[in-house]
Amino acid sequence: DGGITQSPKYLFRKEGQNVTLSCEQNLNHDAMYWYRQDPGQGLRLIYYSQIVNDFQKGDIAEGYSVSREKKESFPLTVTSAQKNPTAFYLCASSINRDGEEKLFFGSGTQLSVL
Amino acid sequence: SQKIEQNSEALNIQEGKTATLTCNYTNYSPAYLQWYRQDPGRGPVFLLLIRENEKEKRKERLKVTFDTTLKQSLFHITASQPADSATYLCALGRRGNKLVFGAGTILRVKS
Repeated sequence: DGGITQSPKYLFRKEGQNVTLSCEQNLNHDAMYWYRQDPGQGLRLIYYSQIVNDFQKGDIAEGYSVSREKKESFPLTVTSAQKNPTAFYLCASSINRDGEEKLFFGSGTQLSVL
Repeated sequence: SQKIEQNSEALNIQEGKTATLTCNYTNYSPAYLQWYRQDPGRGPVFLLLIRENEKEKRKERLKVTFDTTLKQSLFHITASQPADSATYLCALGRRGNKLVFGAGTILRVKS
């Protein structure tokens, strides 16, 4: 089955701890994204990558870091500098046809603070 | 900055009726608009895309309209079913820019 796989489904972070959320895709898409979803708010872009070994900050990158060493993988690290990390995190990849982007999302990771 | 507004209150309708969800936006000129469906604890799934030069798009029981003068899109589900219950997100797109998402509207279809 082609798609986006996120793990784990649930993650708990202790204060001062860094945690890493996994995202793997087998859709052969070049672009990948990380979004944060909070109740009552739209999806907010954390980081995105258009190509391997390159990534850009989104609207709320502070306290997060990413890497893109392989086309299939785009892990997100939530660092201790992110003071309010509790949220639903969504990874996505996209295809772009004639300037129109269509996103394919994973099932998400719910991160909570202990 | 751009702002996208979707009904913050849940929409409750009876099975068989037509559900109509609204997406309004300001300070933005999208080239296209998309609708996604999101089930609880899952990621959004793409449903439809409509371009700025298109007034209406249909796919099975779904219909989307796009009025660039009113800066509004309407999303209709005809003959609604309990299985249509979900959160529906609208997203605005413009070439060279990343998609901007609304907060979504919860739809509950009761049998």
